[in-house]
Amino acid sequence: DTGVSQNPRHKITKRGQNVTFRCDPISEHNRLYWYRQTLGQGPEFLTYFQNEAQLEKSRLLSDRFSAERPKGSFSTLEIQRTEQGDSAMYLCASSSDRGKANEKLFFGSGTQLSVL
Amino acid sequence: RKEVEQDPGPFNVPEGATVAFNCTYSNSASQSFFWYRQDCRKEPKLLMSVYSSGNEDGRFTAQLNRASQYISLLIRDSKLSDSATYLCVVNKDSWGKLQFGAGTQVVVTP
Repeated sequence: DTGVSQNPRHKITKRGQNVTFRCDPISEHNRLYWYRQTLGQGPEFLTYFQNEAQLEKSRLLSDRFSAERPKGSFSTLEIQRTEQGDSAMYLCASSSDRGKANEKLFFGSGTQLSVL
Repeated sequence: RKEVEQDPGPFNVPEGATVAFNCTYSNSASQSFFWYRQDCRKEPKLLMSVYSSGNEDGRFTAQLNRASQYISLLIRDSKLSDSATYLCVVNKDSWGKLQFGAGTQVVVTP
């Protein structure tokens, strides 16, 4: 399977715990995005990487959130001291940076986070 | 006001019928427009890009009206498999920071 891969698919945690999600993009894509989606809403942009450089972060990304893409390949999203409001589907997407292809995002299946 | 607004539906459509729905966007500087499809508990997938001249992909037709800042999607000869949530997506930058609407749910019934 050469699509975007996310792990784990589901994560249940207690409030106050830290969680980390992983995303493996399509191998030839150098752009990687994290989005968050809650029930009944569309995905909301969180952050974006061009290779290993994190180029933009949404104000939705509080200081409890950190994302890395150390070698420009896979990425991790960590949430520290989770809160019930963090419960959502966390979607990773990737794209090529060639011409208009940079706007066509391919999404992974997401990680569903439930904070109890 | 949300940047991208859609009628949440649901639009209940008999199999074989035509359904159309719009979305509006607030940023007149938006550059690119898309429709994504999202099945229940699945990831969004690109359905089609939307061009100013209008474009068609099989049974799907998308239109863009920049003056009125709305985008439309029309589905002809609806199939049961067209049941999904259709997300209107706008890009105001030259890269993938997409603004998604909350989606329009379409339910095609036998």
